[in-house]
Formats: sequence, structure tokens, C-alpha cells
Amino acid sequence: DGGITQSPKYLFRKEGQNVTLSCEQNLNHDAMYWYRQDPGQGLRLIYYSQIVNDFQKGDIAEGYSVSREKKESFPLTVTSAQKNPTAFYLCASSIRPTGDEQYFGPGTRLTVT
Amino acid sequence: AQRVTQPEKLLSVFKGAPVELKCNYSYSGSPELFWYVQYSRQRLQLLLRHISRESIKGFTADLNKGETSFHLKKPFAQEEDSAMYYCALDFGNEKLTFGTGTRLTIIP
Repeated sequence: DGGITQSPKYLFRKEGQNVTLSCEQNLNHDAMYWYRQDPGQGLRLIYYSQIVNDFQKGDIAEGYSVSREKKESFPLTVTSAQKNPTAFYLCASSIRPTGDEQYFGPGTRLTVT
Repeated sequence: AQRVTQPEKLLSVFKGAPVELKCNYSYSGSPELFWYVQYSRQRLQLLLRHISRESIKGFTADLNKGETSFHLKKPFAQEEDSAMYYCALDFGNEKLTFGTGTRLTIIP
């Protein structure tokens, strides 16, 4: 373990509030990713970044935002516009964007009530 | 559309019996293929990738281009194989597309 960290492990928020999930890696990887994991739906890509100061929408980007100001950090903000934010969120990184193994963080479980 | 399908949500196998986890995809090209595994209370991690042609923990996966499948197989299941398994494909668009996963339970 180690290399890619997510905090906090559990997060609780009231509906209508924005919340930011942290993801940090010390692997010197160029590419970083955010996934949402829901039972029966597998992993769905929210946003990804191939390089610092650049990022692209994944398959379910609506209601989320990201930034990539530093190579080692890729925070995800879950906004109040996300209709169903309660989920398990996974961050990952890889050396390069294409064809390389992705290394995953331990995840953050977000509960919005 | 590019799609990854894992038809079995749950699979139970007796210890010592063969295991096969199915993965099918829809794509006319040649994707990069991976199997990821998540053991209880552990992170999601790479189990094997097609390009390396390795056997990891006794598992192998063969690409069948005609059937567009990448099934994961092990001849003799062990209790420690119980986990969630995800098939994932890189269709050359700089991201992975994951299947919905199969939860494998090995019955002692």
C-alpha cells in the first residue's frame, strides 16, 4: 500500500453542500483518474487527467468538477448539482494515459443526506 | 459503442473446482485487456494484462478475437480467490472501460 492516498475514508454531508475529496500520489505518474463505484454498476469514470493543468470529462462528469494544478494532486469536488452523490469514490493513477496499469487509492465513501 | 460485459454478477465455485469468469467486449479493433481484482478490505489492483501473457496466482486469460472475449480461468480454485473481479479494456482512447464486475465466492 502507499503511493496513492485518498482522504478522508468516510465523509458525510448535507444535501446542497459541495464537498471536495482529496487524492494524492507520490509515484510521479502523469495520469490520474476518478471513478465512482456503485453496487452492480462497476467502476464508472468521472474525470481523468493526462498531464498537469489538463483534464477531460469521463462518462459521468455531470455534477462533478476537478483541478490538476500539481502533478501529485487531483481533487474531486462533488457539487450540489450531482443528483445522486452518495457512493464510493476511487482515485487512480498510471505512468502514462494509455495501456498502463492503474494504481488505485483506498477510496472515500461519501454519504449525503 | 465500445462496451465491456461481465454477464455474471455472482459466481460460486467449490474449492478445487475450475473457475471461469466471463468477459465479453464490443469493439472492432484490438483493445488492451486487463483483469483487476479487489480482495476484501484491500485496494483494487491489477491481476493480469493480456499483453504480458503472464499467469498470476494460477489465473490465465485468453483473448478470443472471434468471440470478442477475454475470459479469466483457473484450473483449481482456492479459498483465497474469493474476491470481486473486474474486466477492463483500453480501447485506445486513453482511459479504461470497466465491466460491472463478478463477485467470486469459493466454497470450502
